[in-house]
Amino acid sequence: DTGVSQDPRHKITKRGQNVTFRCDPISEHNRLYWYRQTLGQGPEFLTYFQNEAQLEKSRLLSDRFSAERPKGSFSTLEIQRTEQGDSAMYLCASSTGDREGPREKLFFGSGTQLSVL
Amino acid sequence: AQSVTQLGSHVSVSEGALVLLRCNYSSSVPPYLFWYVQYPNQGLQLLLKYTSAATLVKGINGFEAEFKKSETSFHLTKPSAHMSDAAEYFCAGGFKTIFGAGTRLFVKA
Repeated sequence: DTGVSQDPRHKITKRGQNVTFRCDPISEHNRLYWYRQTLGQGPEFLTYFQNEAQLEKSRLLSDRFSAERPKGSFSTLEIQRTEQGDSAMYLCASSTGDREGPREKLFFGSGTQLSVL
Repeated sequence: AQSVTQLGSHVSVSEGALVLLRCNYSSSVPPYLFWYVQYPNQGLQLLLKYTSAATLVKGINGFEAEFKKSETSFHLTKPSAHMSDAAEYFCAGGFKTIFGAGTRLFVKA
């Protein structure tokens, strides 16, 4: 178990630029989640995948955000035309999914800190 | 709307003292409840989760939480705080895991 890894750890970009983050889940985990966390708040759900299928997207996920998990393994989260309000920590988590049902344990990566100038 | 509320954004205790971190959930939140801990520069880790097998749940590092349906609460406790417990603690619940805003625990020597 090498854990969930996210890349990069930090990203500084100018407003209007596109950014892409990568998440590598624990290898046998079929469910993958993206969360966003701002200072003083808990993580907010953005979207999740069951294998390669994106099953749900939060209303927080505007059209500028897109997530993919093409082969059911790693996932990418892209933000187009970044805005200052996108500055946050983006967290990825994975789980065994249906095996535990709603009480599934999430394994989190250390996150990607995005700063939009 | 579903929500999880943590009372107190900061809690400070002396080493060896009781730790009590409060969490309440809205009645619309399904009773799938968790406590996660986040140490500096690390990802969130699961401390414990409520599985309905028992209302008192024991987790790692000596923490435990009691599910009280009548009070819609899931407070986290530890009898004796240790310096290494200093971290941010998140209560969470429901499908796709709704998180509270977090409580930062400070432990004084």
